Amino acid sequence: SQQGEEDPQALSIQEGENATMNCSYKTSINNLQWYRQNSGRGLVHLILIRSNEREKHSGRLRVTLDTSKKSSSLLITASRAADTASYFCAPGESNYQLIWGAGTKLIIKP
Amino acid sequence: DTEVTQTPKHLVMGMTNKKSLKCEQHMGHRAMYWYKQKAKKPPELMFVYSYEKLSINESVPSRFSPECPNSSLLNLHLHALQPEDSALYLCASSLGQGSEKLFFGSGTQLSVL
Repeated sequence: SQQGEEDPQALSIQEGENATMNCSYKTSINNLQWYRQNSGRGLVHLILIRSNEREKHSGRLRVTLDTSKKSSSLLITASRAADTASYFCAPGESNYQLIWGAGTKLIIKP
Repeated sequence: DTEVTQTPKHLVMGMTNKKSLKCEQHMGHRAMYWYKQKAKKPPELMFVYSYEKLSINESVPSRFSPECPNSSLLNLHLHALQPEDSALYLCASSLGQGSEKLFFGSGTQLSVL
């Protein structure tokens, strides 16, 4: 079953702009992870935020988590062409399973 | 070594063939996973091995048969597949089982004719 729902499904921005993707989920979670996938390749882990954290940074990435609203956002600042990929959120349920969102396809235009 | 290695990268097989997908990691991870991913969809969990024992089997058809010979290797044996089984098959590993950071291989793109 699909736990995470992502918004938007697709996003196209100019290089240098910021990109924001949102994720909502339905049940209690242990943590929430974000992954990136280039076309037809494996997924790459970007960042993990635990349920007791509200915000986390990693380089140009900023993730927020609001457990009261059961939502998370991923912000990529100063986007680059190499950021073009699909981005998936994966809420980690309290029974320790990852349930994947449908993904946001991000296109960075040069 | 922080890699998960999958072979082959591409596989074309007929519906009567038997083939195997292989996955290897040397990070000392004790949980390994098989995922199936259709185009433009999220990955779907198929199997989880934890400490070399099958711990999760997500009601996958018996034409898919996983095997974990040791803590570093994970195989997926394929037999009598259907065209709708064509997909990207991803192997992943994590330090332990649970909602931990997953390390993915680059996948096997499978086409069933």
